[in-house]
Amino acid sequence: SQQGEEDPQALSIQEGENATMNCSYKTSINNLQWYRQNSGRGLVHLILIRSNEREKHSGRLRVTLDTSKKSSSLLITASRAADTASYFCATDATGNNRKLIWGLGTSLAVNP
Amino acid sequence: GAGVSQSPSNKVTEKGKDVELRCDPISGHTALYWYRQSLGQGLEFLIYFQGNSAPDKSGLPSDRFSAERTGGSVSTLTIQRTQQEDSAVYLCASSFLGRNEQFFGPGTRLTVL
Repeated sequence: SQQGEEDPQALSIQEGENATMNCSYKTSINNLQWYRQNSGRGLVHLILIRSNEREKHSGRLRVTLDTSKKSSSLLITASRAADTASYFCATDATGNNRKLIWGLGTSLAVNP
Repeated sequence: GAGVSQSPSNKVTEKGKDVELRCDPISGHTALYWYRQSLGQGLEFLIYFQGNSAPDKSGLPSDRFSAERTGGSVSTLTIQRTQQEDSAVYLCASSFLGRNEQFFGPGTRLTVL
């Protein structure tokens, strides 16, 4: 079953703009991860945020986690055409033997 | 170092035939996952191997699907009597327990005619 739900389902922005994607989940988690998938590089891990963390940065990526609302957001700043991809959140739910539960993804198009 | 590899990269088969898909995980990774992804869709969990524990087969869609992992390394996903709805990209991932970050292979694109 899919626990994570990303929104929006699709997002189209201009190069240089910021892109924000959200993920909601239903159960308690150990951590939440974001992945990117594009045709060139397949599915790649971007960032992991633990349940006791509220914010994490990696280059142009900023992830927040609000466990009280069971939601996370991924912000990509100063977007580039190469950021065009699908972005998935995946949750490591507690008591789930470390099996990740995946959302359906947000499709991001960055127009040059 | 070497990443996760999968073979074949593409497989076209006729309805009713059996297929075997192979995954070579990253050396030392204790966890191995199989997923299925249809065009434009998210990841559908199929099966999860963790060390010597019994695999979590809860995602296998029917008894035509089976998987094994030999020697805690290479895994084979077998689909018997393939149907057209089995057409998808089959992705394998591995991880080191405790890190939980999954490393994905390039996938096998299966087309059932």
